[in-house]
Amino acid sequence: GAVVSQHPSWVICKSGTSVKIECRSLDFQATTMFWYRQFPKQSLMLMATSNEGSKATYEQGVEKDKFLINHASLTLSTLTVTSAHPEDSSFYICSARTGGVKKTQYFGPGTRLLVL
Amino acid sequence: AQKITQTQPGMFVQEKEAVTLDCTYDTSDQSYGLFWYKQPSSGEMIFLIYQGSYDEQNATEGRYSLNFQKARKSANLVISASQLGDSAMYFCAMEYGNKLVFGAGTILRVKS
Repeated sequence: GAVVSQHPSWVICKSGTSVKIECRSLDFQATTMFWYRQFPKQSLMLMATSNEGSKATYEQGVEKDKFLINHASLTLSTLTVTSAHPEDSSFYICSARTGGVKKTQYFGPGTRLLVL
Repeated sequence: AQKITQTQPGMFVQEKEAVTLDCTYDTSDQSYGLFWYKQPSSGEMIFLIYQGSYDEQNATEGRYSLNFQKARKSANLVISASQLGDSAMYFCAMEYGNKLVFGAGTILRVKS
């Protein structure tokens, strides 16, 4: 299957700081990438759809100014958690959608964020 | 609105036996895709299998098969010959537009 990387895999930061998470499609071009959030023992919740060359589309209830998304190229999307607080601590996962007949979303390994 | 329901919070299966993980969905769309993903304790989401709503044959990928019953709106995952490494959380998901909506997940534990 296609390969999606995410960096960093772990981040611990102080409250009030900003954290940037990168998502890269390594062996295919992805015009659309997605950012999810997952709390312990819960399902994945879609936060936003990242579109190359245009603004991200956010799901209802997700603060645009809090979670900044930039899709600068066909292989890179970044999520910046601005002024992070302890309640932002979570597992953040990105995915990239392939084209072709069977359009499948491949996920990155995820980033665990802990805000102290 | 699209909805995915996984009614089994947890399942146990004996090693080498087959297990079925249930998934039902609700949609008014005629064209849709159904996915199963595996999430081990490491957190990564591993794509297992895909079924399109117009696919006439049930999807199969190695030891994974999808029992697709369109009239019942069910898309159960069957894992044959379970292995210890199959212990993980399993998510059923449905695609609408280009987004995925996930079920609550089923934790599978394979016993030796």
